[in-house]
Amino acid sequence: GQQLNQSPQSMFIQEGEDVSMNCTSSSIFNTWLWYKQDPGEGPVLLIALYKAGELTSNGRLTAQFGITRKDSFLNISASIPSDVGIYFCAGQMGAGGTSYGKLTFGQGTILTVHP
Amino acid sequence: GAVVSQHPSRVICKSGTSVKIECRSLDFQATTMFWYRQFPKKSLMLMATSNEGSKATYEQGVEKDKFLINHASLTLSTLTVTSAHPEDSSFYICSAMQVGQYNSPLHFGNGTRLTVT
Repeated sequence: GQQLNQSPQSMFIQEGEDVSMNCTSSSIFNTWLWYKQDPGEGPVLLIALYKAGELTSNGRLTAQFGITRKDSFLNISASIPSDVGIYFCAGQMGAGGTSYGKLTFGQGTILTVHP
Repeated sequence: GAVVSQHPSRVICKSGTSVKIECRSLDFQATTMFWYRQFPKKSLMLMATSNEGSKATYEQGVEKDKFLINHASLTLSTLTVTSAHPEDSSFYICSAMQVGQYNSPLHFGNGTRLTVT
């Protein structure tokens, strides 16, 4: 089945530093999504990417959809303590077939920010 | 917009009892909802796809008689964990796909923490 490899598994950084994490897949996805999850809550969407090569920003967050459609990265600039949490990449198939709408998640990156 | 509500947020039950978890789309209609299970510090694993008005589609290895899914309306799907055992203790999360928005990002509920004693 499809698998997403997300790295790094965890990061410990100082406040103000930039962060980068990425995901690679053995399969092609039509949509790449990045979510953040706080303890005891559901994932919250950060950025959605729909086209190969697309680069999208949301405040201090920037994400790119790889040209091959098999990878994506997320950058966080000037980290702050509230950035702490688990970040997940997810790939989504497009419309049609039995797999559309399903998300395949990466393993997650646990981010710790020291003040 | 696109709010998904899950209830209850936490539930503790005794082994052998059944527990029902609700997933509601509050401001949109969802023909398709998804149920995920998550262990501590692990990723979300898809359990089943819930389709309004038809039977749910279960992922390989998920017991359909154990995890009963009902999607009776365009705004509500329920997951019932039958004859729960301690190994069913987990974080269960639902997501919903808006009607006609096949490539739109999925919105998640806040999850239900199930503890079976």
